[in-house]
Amino acid sequence: DAGITQSPRHKVTETGTPVTLRCHQTENHRYMYWYRQDPGHGLRLIHYSYGVKDTDKGEVSDGYSVSRSKTEDFLLTLESATSSQTSVYFCAISERGDSYNEQFFGPGTRLTVL
Amino acid sequence: AQSVTQLGSHVSVSEGALVLLRCNYSSSVPPYLFWYVQYPNQGLQLLLKYTSAATLVKGINGFEAEFKKSETSFHLTKPSAHMSDAAEYFCAIHTGTASKLTFGTGTRLQVTL
Repeated sequence: DAGITQSPRHKVTETGTPVTLRCHQTENHRYMYWYRQDPGHGLRLIHYSYGVKDTDKGEVSDGYSVSRSKTEDFLLTLESATSSQTSVYFCAISERGDSYNEQFFGPGTRLTVL
Repeated sequence: AQSVTQLGSHVSVSEGALVLLRCNYSSSVPPYLFWYVQYPNQGLQLLLKYTSAATLVKGINGFEAEFKKSETSFHLTKPSAHMSDAAEYFCAIHTGTASKLTFGTGTRLQVTL
């Protein structure tokens, strides 16, 4: 199994509070991704990183920001959580950026915003 | 833009029966396609991937998928379902740069006795 951990694994928070989710990898992979999983939508890309301090938006980036100060860590921040951000969040990593390179997924973080 | 469509959000089969999960793609360039499986309360795990080397791709746990350009399909099959195959299955297509993937909405497979 790829060495990917996510913390916390479960979190309940209130609307308007800031939340930071952490993804940590021990594989030294260059690419890292944040997805959210919602029923009927599959997985949707929030943000991704192609190197330290290099990030870009995915298809559902509004309300989210990311940072990557070290190869191994990719942080996802909800500046002011809303109920629509209740979801399961997955981190993924990939060694290279070519077309047939697969992604490896972490165990997920279940976030509930009340 | 590349996209995939999974037909059927839920599929139920009997143990020992054929499993067929459908995925159709749309792509303006030669596609690179993936199937992932998600067991309850876990992350996604790669089952197999199509990279144009062969149209019939064999994956883990006895699954395989056939790329059919004429039908723009990449359906996942397994000859004989096992109870342990109960999970959610996602088809995905490579999109743009940085190994980005676009996922289908998923198909939940139920296996009954």
